[in-house]
Amino acid sequence: DAGVIQSPRHEVTEMGQEVTLRCKPISGHDYLFWYRQTMMRGLELLIYFNNNVPIDDSGMPEDRFSAKMPNASFSTLKIQPSEPRDSAVYFCASRQGFRPQHFGDGTRLSIL
Amino acid sequence: SQQGEEDPQALSIQEGENATMNCSYKTSINNLQWYRQNSGRGLVHLILIRSNEREKHSGRLRVTLDTSKKSSSLLITASRAADTASYFCATDAGQAGTALIFGKGTTLSVSS
Repeated sequence: DAGVIQSPRHEVTEMGQEVTLRCKPISGHDYLFWYRQTMMRGLELLIYFNNNVPIDDSGMPEDRFSAKMPNASFSTLKIQPSEPRDSAVYFCASRQGFRPQHFGDGTRLSIL
Repeated sequence: SQQGEEDPQALSIQEGENATMNCSYKTSINNLQWYRQNSGRGLVHLILIRSNEREKHSGRLRVTLDTSKKSSSLLITASRAADTASYFCATDAGQAGTALIFGKGTTLSVSS
């Protein structure tokens, strides 16, 4: 049974570049979440979707961040333009209804 | 923003000892969940306790919940080196469609 799949696992890029993070949720899950984890701020909720519809994006730090979920099996988080302070581990998680969340192994993003 | 705050931030014990981690939260909840994160990996769900429950067990894990004090504790008995990880509490405010809000976690080190 495949879990939540994130790609890439690591991304190193220069500031100003566009970064796209990808997530494939567990089949049948109707909620998808994007989190960002840093030492200073811990695990922050960025945005979540229900049945492919964005429900709450109040955690998205700036207009440079955008997220889409074109279908039930795919979501992207895009940062354009990227800045060094965006360096963090980005997690995608999914869940079915009100059951516990399942996390991917994250994308470690470094902006130079 | 964090809803849960874990205490202590870090804990070091010997194999065979018990480990206790605490979590405090601010608003009313529907349930509280504990997750574990191994280094370089995503979070894994451990146990969920509902607001009308006071104690729950799962293997070597024991969770308590005191809604009057807005606090929870996670006890790991007879710890093993493999229990070395970060542990997070997460609260579910209970409204349909809300996302889990995580604390900053307790880092547990178990030495053999």
